[in-house]
Amino acid sequence: RKEVEQDPGPFNVPEGATVAFNCTYSNSASQSFFWYRQDCRKEPKLLMSVYSSGNEDGRFTAQLNRASQYISLLIRDSKLSDSATYLCVVNIVTGTASKLTFGTGTRLQVTL
Amino acid sequence: EAQVTQNPRYLITVTGKKLTVTCSQNMNHEYMSWYRQDPGLGLRQIYYSMNVEVTDKGDVPEGYKVSRKEKRNFPLILESPSPNQTSLYFCASRTQRWSNQPQHFGDGTRLSIL
Repeated sequence: RKEVEQDPGPFNVPEGATVAFNCTYSNSASQSFFWYRQDCRKEPKLLMSVYSSGNEDGRFTAQLNRASQYISLLIRDSKLSDSATYLCVVNIVTGTASKLTFGTGTRLQVTL
Repeated sequence: EAQVTQNPRYLITVTGKKLTVTCSQNMNHEYMSWYRQDPGLGLRQIYYSMNVEVTDKGDVPEGYKVSRKEKRNFPLILESPSPNQTSLYFCASRTQRWSNQPQHFGDGTRLSIL
């Protein structure tokens, strides 16, 4: 079983739609969580951190469910510019060491 | 401007010819790492370094070497490249002080080994 699992998609949605991605992780010692965005052939860029209480940044809302070990990302009012691959990232901290584990990403294509 | 810089951005070379991909960051970050990204496999960590002269293997270290002689630089060395090392490589850094912080990535290096 992969440590971080995501539906690869693609999710094809019309502009203005609301779309949600889920991600599950297997290591209960995971301590911090992120969503990154990656455009084709470019470097991953941090979209937002994910907090236990849930957090929102404009049209983007992230949720964490530690009991069920999943993370979600909700995008409202999708824009063409939201088309990208969204990477779920989990950080496991042990002592002074930490390790980021990446999901393989969910591809989103927003169309007119 | 805070950034992670990788060079070269693109390289086509032949099997067995040693190559080095440089990585430099200007944010005074302690932690640096190298990843490779392949279709369907996502980002996989090759090596990481928690500080100067401290390096450790990631998930896929075979065929790679690294060094960390200075805080800002973390070169990736392929002593004898093989075609299965054809991939997209990313260097990343973050502060070690707060270990739950996200990483900053370089622009990537696309390597093709013929």
